[in-house]
Amino acid sequence: NAGVTQTPKFRVLKTGQSMTLLCAQDMNHEYMYWYRQDPGMGLRLIHYSVGEGTTAKGEVPDGYNVSRLKKQNFLLGLESAAPSQTSVYFCASNTGDANGEQFFGPGTRLTVL
Amino acid sequence: DQQVKQNSPSLSVQEGRISILNCDYTNSMFDYFLWYKKYPAEGPTFLISISSIKDKNEDGRFTVFLNKSAKHLSLHIVPSQPGDSAVYFCAASATQGAQKLVFGQGTRLTINP
Repeated sequence: NAGVTQTPKFRVLKTGQSMTLLCAQDMNHEYMYWYRQDPGMGLRLIHYSVGEGTTAKGEVPDGYNVSRLKKQNFLLGLESAAPSQTSVYFCASNTGDANGEQFFGPGTRLTVL
Repeated sequence: DQQVKQNSPSLSVQEGRISILNCDYTNSMFDYFLWYKKYPAEGPTFLISISSIKDKNEDGRFTVFLNKSAKHLSLHIVPSQPGDSAVYFCAASATQGAQKLVFGQGTRLTINP
């Protein structure tokens, strides 16, 4: 099993450009999550999904959109990138069972100039 | 409002001694707590967890203690090894619903030979 994979690993955007980050998991997990990590702030939840076709807002959803068209994939979109979105983005998944740990991908480092 | 706090940004410990990492939380709805370990350029990996119905959970060299009245948990690593050098994140969730994790800011642990 590859676990949780993220594409791309690195990306540099100019302000106003758009992009999509792809997360894929091969563990048949129901729940998936997108976090961002900024220095000194830990990880903050952007959006999450509790099943195929469902999405919900997390703590810091502004400027992002998500889609979960297939159970194994969770896409994070930036329609018009801003320098404040420079961050490291992590995707995670879990089974949805009570007290289940979340499994994280390796991250995507995004820089917006 | 930071619901989960790790007040020590860094900690340095000699190899073989005990490492103690601390975490405080404010939300009484949290009933499940986790510790994640993160190496540079990698995603967080699950280390150990504890349910609010327990006050201690042990796994090899790692023990987590929970003091619900003080809303405080700690991670003990004994004996500390050079490979333990990493950033450690405390996380909390209310297991009803989507099991969203709220993370602390992280503590960088350095184990000195």
